[in-house]
Amino acid sequence: DADVTQTPRNRITKTGKRIMLECSQTKGHDRMYWYRQDPGLGLRLIYYSFDVKDINKGEISDGYSVSRQAQAKFSLSLESAIPNQTALYFCATSDTNNQETQYFGPGTRLLVL
Amino acid sequence: AQKITQTQPGMFVQEKEAVTLDCTYDTSDPSYGLFWYKQPSSGEMIFLIYQGSYDQQNATEGRYSLNFQKARKSANLVISASQLGDSAMYFCAMREDINQFYFGTGTSLTVIP
Repeated sequence: DADVTQTPRNRITKTGKRIMLECSQTKGHDRMYWYRQDPGLGLRLIYYSFDVKDINKGEISDGYSVSRQAQAKFSLSLESAIPNQTALYFCATSDTNNQETQYFGPGTRLLVL
Repeated sequence: AQKITQTQPGMFVQEKEAVTLDCTYDTSDPSYGLFWYKQPSSGEMIFLIYQGSYDQQNATEGRYSLNFQKARKSANLVISASQLGDSAMYFCAMREDINQFYFGTGTSLTVIP
């Protein structure tokens, strides 16, 4: 079973709709991240969380919100989706005691019409 | 200024040959980590190799090695004995002391039979 899972894997929505992307991990890591990937721009950090009560904005947080419901769960919400939020979204985790890598989920492809 | 710069949008290499993918970084933190990830066409992000800023020796993982030149702020990935399955996007990334991760825009590698 995958250590970091994302649901849904693919989503098509309309402009103005609210949607939520879910991320769960079984690695026991304390730190979780949300990134978006656009062609030619690499990955950009949206939000990150170092613990359940810790939420931090990343490089491109406008138009997004997050919730860390438990250590293992970190969800990303688009309150009112717009077409330029069409992208590939990745959740990732890391361990404070071992900062040598982040582990990524499989990604969610989001299309906003 | 860009934190991570990958100047090669696309690279070609003959099967069984070695290839170097370039990466330069920008940070004033004394403690940082450098990473390489592989993203095949299926979309997942696969961790390849890590180099800490205080590591004296270049990191190696199987056919992957990281040519770390601290004074030049470069962290090039060397893939030896290229295989067809190495065709993918490759991303260089950096973790700064506050545990934010920055990614480059990627290099598309194509291995030619």
